[in-house]
Amino acid sequence: AQSVSQHNHHVILSEAASLELGCNYSYGGTVNLFWYVQYPGQHLQLLLKYFSGDPLVKGIKGFEAEFIKSKFSFNLRKPSVQWSDTAEYFCASRDNTGRRALTFGSGTRLQVQP
Amino acid sequence: KAGVTQTPRYLIKTRGQQVTLSCSPISGHRSVSWYQQTPGQGLQFLFEYFSETQRNKGNFPGRFSGRQFSNSRSEMNVSTLELGDSALYLCASSLASGRLATNEKLFFGSGTQLSVL
Repeated sequence: AQSVSQHNHHVILSEAASLELGCNYSYGGTVNLFWYVQYPGQHLQLLLKYFSGDPLVKGIKGFEAEFIKSKFSFNLRKPSVQWSDTAEYFCASRDNTGRRALTFGSGTRLQVQP
Repeated sequence: KAGVTQTPRYLIKTRGQQVTLSCSPISGHRSVSWYQQTPGQGLQFLFEYFSETQRNKGNFPGRFSGRQFSNSRSEMNVSTLELGDSALYLCASSLASGRLATNEKLFFGSGTQLSVL
């Protein structure tokens, strides 16, 4: 069975600091990877996705993530965070068996202090 | 275009009761998936429906069931509620044509917050 691990449960940063959130997945085959963000009181929104090709993917709001197959990792990065980035971030994977089900990590709560 | 709509937004029930949650997907979307979100377990896949048929099911007891109507709207039902069923239930839809497309994306609703007392 697939699993996704997010090792940082709660991260506190000051505005303008750089961000890197870790994500490791377990599936050994072809995998689709996603980062979702959930702002307080809002629905899950897709930040970025990796299906194939360039392992460095860019998403919305200045976020990017790098797929490193040898490390089974898909870490999320942002060079300079803003207070408005305060939210919960979820990494998710989907295998290539045709199932639409996503396997989510436990989430990382990011708190950006002004 | 309207997003995924879930009703009701909040629900309070007591143990032993049953509950029905509703989800209206984005217009034109034919696949609807349901997820349970709790602080302890995170987001877990419940089931997915396409063209009124359940395509996949997660690891949940039979008390959790769902269905999809011909207009793609979906309902999920939880019978004999337990305290541990308290959670945010999320619905997601996708523009599916049957077989999973490589670049297919899910769009989530805001969820129904269920509290079981």
